[in-house]
Amino acid sequence: DGGITQSPKYLFRKEGQNVTLSCEQNLNHDAMYWYRQDPGQGLRLIYYSQIVNDFQKGDIAEGYSVSREKKESFPLTVTSAQKNPTAFYLCASTSGQGGNSGELFFGEGSRLTVL
Amino acid sequence: QKEVEQNSGPLSVPEGAIASLNCTYSDRGSQSFFWYRQYSGKSPELIMSIYSNGDKEDGRFTAQLNKASQYVSLLIRDSQPSDSATYLCAVRWDMRFGAGTRLTVKP
Repeated sequence: DGGITQSPKYLFRKEGQNVTLSCEQNLNHDAMYWYRQDPGQGLRLIYYSQIVNDFQKGDIAEGYSVSREKKESFPLTVTSAQKNPTAFYLCASTSGQGGNSGELFFGEGSRLTVL
Repeated sequence: QKEVEQNSGPLSVPEGAIASLNCTYSDRGSQSFFWYRQYSGKSPELIMSIYSNGDKEDGRFTAQLNKASQYVSLLIRDSQPSDSATYLCAVRWDMRFGAGTRLTVKP
């Protein structure tokens, strides 16, 4: 079955540690996205990538980093520079680029808690 | 910065009523519009997509798009308690979301 797999589902981090959230898709989608969601809030765009080896900052990129070395994979690293990283992180992908392109498919999310 | 705004919630309607959710956007070049439903602790799921001006109906859901006025809305007819969720509006180019409207349908 095609889909998006995020791991881990739950992650605990000590202050000052970097953590990497995995996102893998087998939908052959070009574009991939990372969102952050805080309780009772909407989705805020962290980074997105429309093609391999290229990515753009979203609205809240500070303290995060990404890579897109393979079409299928778009890992997100939450660095120690992110002062309030406790949140629900969602990865998504879509076919096409911009314009009249299709819906986003989401992974099940990763919940990060800073101890 | 391109913006997407949704009517502030929370919204509460009685079972069987019509729920109306609204969304405005700033980028006139946007061509693709989506409504997602998100249950607490879960990832969003697509309800409707709309690309052309006018209405699009799918069961109890109707999406309405007016590009001249830059708004898109979602109507839920015969609302059910299972419709209680947060509804998110998303606008292409770079797939930004509104803040979401929390809907509660009371039995």
